[in-house]
Amino acid sequence: GENVEQHPSTLSVQEGDSAVIKCTYSDSASNYFPWYKQELGKRPQLIIDIRSNVGEKKDQRIAVTLNKTAKHFSLHITETQPEDSAVYFCAAKTSGSARQLTFGSGTQLTVLP
Amino acid sequence: GAVVSQHPSRVICKSGTSVKIECRSLDFQATTMFWYRQFPKQSLMLMATSNEGSKATYEQGVEKDKFLINHASLTLSTLTVTSAHPEDSSFYICSARLSGGLTYNEQFFGPGTRLTVL
Repeated sequence: GENVEQHPSTLSVQEGDSAVIKCTYSDSASNYFPWYKQELGKRPQLIIDIRSNVGEKKDQRIAVTLNKTAKHFSLHITETQPEDSAVYFCAAKTSGSARQLTFGSGTQLTVLP
Repeated sequence: GAVVSQHPSRVICKSGTSVKIECRSLDFQATTMFWYRQFPKQSLMLMATSNEGSKATYEQGVEKDKFLINHASLTLSTLTVTSAHPEDSSFYICSARLSGGLTYNEQFFGPGTRLTVL
């Protein structure tokens, strides 16, 4: 099955700086890669996603890049703000009829004011 | 947008009792719902995939007789933790996927249920 690895596990940045979180996946047939933001005790919220036929996608301060050859994808947050502090999870959708998501281990992002 | 609700949001029970958690898609139909468990400071671990009208598919290591899943309608799936023990204490989150349509269907998450077994 799919295996998703995520790094770093914790990340602290100064307000206004950029943050980058990286994930790798093992199943070359995976074709959908969402990123979720989860605040303590709350549900994961989809913040951006990318499909395997696209190399990059941007939404205001958030961008995601995908390298299918290397099987890795990254989340980029620019001009970070304290409210960006949360746990971020990457995920990959496995192939096959089940079409389920496999999550990375998460990154605790702390934006220091 | 698509909304998924869960009930209850928190439950505290004694060891040995059973607890039922409901997951509802409020404004869309979901042939497939997923149940996750999340321990503190850990990732979401898929427990089972619930398909309307058929048996759930459990992930390796998840006891199907302990975690009973029923997906009786296109808007409701239930997870029953039977004979709960303290090690079952966790955050349980469901998600629902829109029926039919595109390959890349987004999953919509419920707010989660915090289970504490004393």
